Amino acid sequence: AQTVTQSQPEMSVQEAETVTLSCTYDTSESDYYLFWYKQPPSRQMILVIRQEAYKQQNATENRFSVNFQKAAKSFSLKISDSQLGDAAMYFCACGAYNTDKLIFGTGTRLQVFP
Amino acid sequence: DTGVSQDPRHKITKRGQNVTFRCDPISEHNRLYWYRQTLGQGPEFLTYFQNEAQLEKSRLLSDRFSAERPKGSFSTLEIQRTEQGDSAMYLCASSLLSGGAYNEQFFGPGTRLTVL
Repeated sequence: AQTVTQSQPEMSVQEAETVTLSCTYDTSESDYYLFWYKQPPSRQMILVIRQEAYKQQNATENRFSVNFQKAAKSFSLKISDSQLGDAAMYFCACGAYNTDKLIFGTGTRLQVFP
Repeated sequence: DTGVSQDPRHKITKRGQNVTFRCDPISEHNRLYWYRQTLGQGPEFLTYFQNEAQLEKSRLLSDRFSAERPKGSFSTLEIQRTEQGDSAMYLCASSLLSGGAYNEQFFGPGTRLTVL
């Protein structure tokens, strides 16, 4: 079984600043992936960044990077140089290797202030 | 490529009625997923198909729910005898099983169901 926990229901950041969203997970799978998805208001979910669990190197996509601590089962998202367009719900998710089935956390609402 | 589409985008129904949602995946995508998202929660996995075969169903998918994917193209999700607790956003996603280790899921805009 897999569970994903996001303990921050809401976060806020000022434009151009850096913010970190937290996520912890638990899984019995030996091969899995971790993801951060962004869901803007009334718009569809899009993938922000992914991390293969077998890789030690933290994933980076432009202003988005993760801090993956496998032993601690922690997977945080850092957004640098925050922009107004980053405002959205962010979901952490864990995916099983064979099925790609995703288990999501409850989400963190990010507000970005000018 | 127009992405994953879902129809209708909104559905209001009375308790006890049946409803059917449709999902059109990205062309050539052989995997299709259904998730349910209630207010303030993350999406919850319901079921998924590989081509026309339904490979896994969540315990959330009660007997009132049925999903099909005839011919491995579009999929339908039917809810019979709707209950107020069925009110949620129903999300569809598709991916291409390509033999690689990871197959990204692309999400549709969802169908928002309100049961009165």
